[in-house]
Amino acid sequence: KQEVTQIPAALSVPEGENLVLNCSFTDSAIYNLQWFRQDPGKGLTSLLLIQSSQREQTSGRLNASLDKSSGRSTLYIAASQPGDSATYLCAGRPSGGYQKVTFGTGTKLQVIP
Amino acid sequence: EAGVTQSPTHLIKTRGQQATLRCSPISGHTSVYWYQQALGLGLQFLLWYDEGEERNRGNFPPRFSGRQFPNYSSELNVNALELEDSALYLCASSPPRAPQPQHFGDGTRLSIL
Repeated sequence: KQEVTQIPAALSVPEGENLVLNCSFTDSAIYNLQWFRQDPGKGLTSLLLIQSSQREQTSGRLNASLDKSSGRSTLYIAASQPGDSATYLCAGRPSGGYQKVTFGTGTKLQVIP
Repeated sequence: EAGVTQSPTHLIKTRGQQATLRCSPISGHTSVYWYQQALGLGLQFLLWYDEGEERNRGNFPPRFSGRQFPNYSSELNVNALELEDSALYLCASSPPRAPQPQHFGDGTRLSIL
């Protein structure tokens, strides 16, 4: 059974700082790893999706990496802004069939102006 | 393009009642996923429907049920409501041959008094 862990649960940084969010998963046989953002009381917005054959994906100030052998993924946010404040969740999709995606519990990020 | 829409936005019920939550996926999407997000907890997978069939089910009691209609919209029914059912219920959808939640609605906030 896949377990996904995100540490820390909360993070507070000053505006402009570069930061890294961590995601660990127990089963390396994942098909892909996805990062989402959730604003309070809202649904999830997909940020980046990394296939198992890829090492990283980039979108603007965001860069996500995947290391299947170590069971880790990181989300790098460059030059953080107050608008980046949200909860960030990672989710691992297993290989094959109708296997459910497993979500981490998230890291709540606060960027202080 | 309209996103995933959920109704109602808020729902207040008392213990023992029944609740019905509705979800309309993005046009062309055939899979619908339901998640429960209780306060302080992560996303808990409830149900996955694809092409009208239930494909996977999370560890929830049978009083949580649902269905998917021919137009791919879906409803989640919760019978014999309990206080611990209070949560944000999120629906997500995905297109054919991409079986993982990609686009989320903003959820239905269910409060049990």
